[in-house]
Amino acid sequence: DTAVSQTPKYLVTQMGNDKSIKCEQNLGHDTMYWYKQDSKKFLKIMFSYNNKELIINETVPNRFSPKSPDKAHLNLHINSLELGDSAVYFCASSPTGFEQYFGPGTRLTVT
Amino acid sequence: AQSVSQHNHHVILSEAASLELGCNYSYGGTVNLFWYVQYPGQHLQLLLKYFSGDPLVKGIKGFEAEFIKSKFSFNLRKPSVQWSDTAEYFCAVNRDDKIIFGKGTRLHILP
Repeated sequence: DTAVSQTPKYLVTQMGNDKSIKCEQNLGHDTMYWYKQDSKKFLKIMFSYNNKELIINETVPNRFSPKSPDKAHLNLHINSLELGDSAVYFCASSPTGFEQYFGPGTRLTVT
Repeated sequence: AQSVSQHNHHVILSEAASLELGCNYSYGGTVNLFWYVQYPGQHLQLLLKYFSGDPLVKGIKGFEAEFIKSKFSFNLRKPSVQWSDTAEYFCAVNRDDKIIFGKGTRLHILP
């Protein structure tokens, strides 16, 4: 059974489009995260949610909006996609303060 | 500013060589420390973690790390590397429920 799953795995789209990435975890963790990993493998936290409430919102454009319908899901919606948004996006979950379990990643390519 | 520094950006070793990857952090007080590994094309996986107790922690696949509080360091070691250890390695620090990742070290093992 997959612990943290993301869909889609690959996403190719044109500039200006709006897209969503979904994340689900079946580990019962309280906290979920979204990370962006650029082409240099630098991992940057974007958002963190604890029990459906936003607790970390790093400096990301407001075109990015996370939505947590329940504790097991944290979706990422991106408006007006730009070339610079091309990256791999990882979802993760953790019991608060402990190690993180990462999803398989979504490779987003904006053309 | 709070930060996590990984000194080696890219390391190349031959099989059977010994490995040490440096990690320093700038937080004071109590922290939780982690090393993650990302194999090519895959997501991040936990190698080992330190919360408290014995500062020498053992992880999976023969890796270990030593927490030296006075030096704010948590270096990763392996006595004899294998070709399959080729990957990106990330040090991470969790304090007050905020986790910060280092920029990663790319390890390339020559067969």
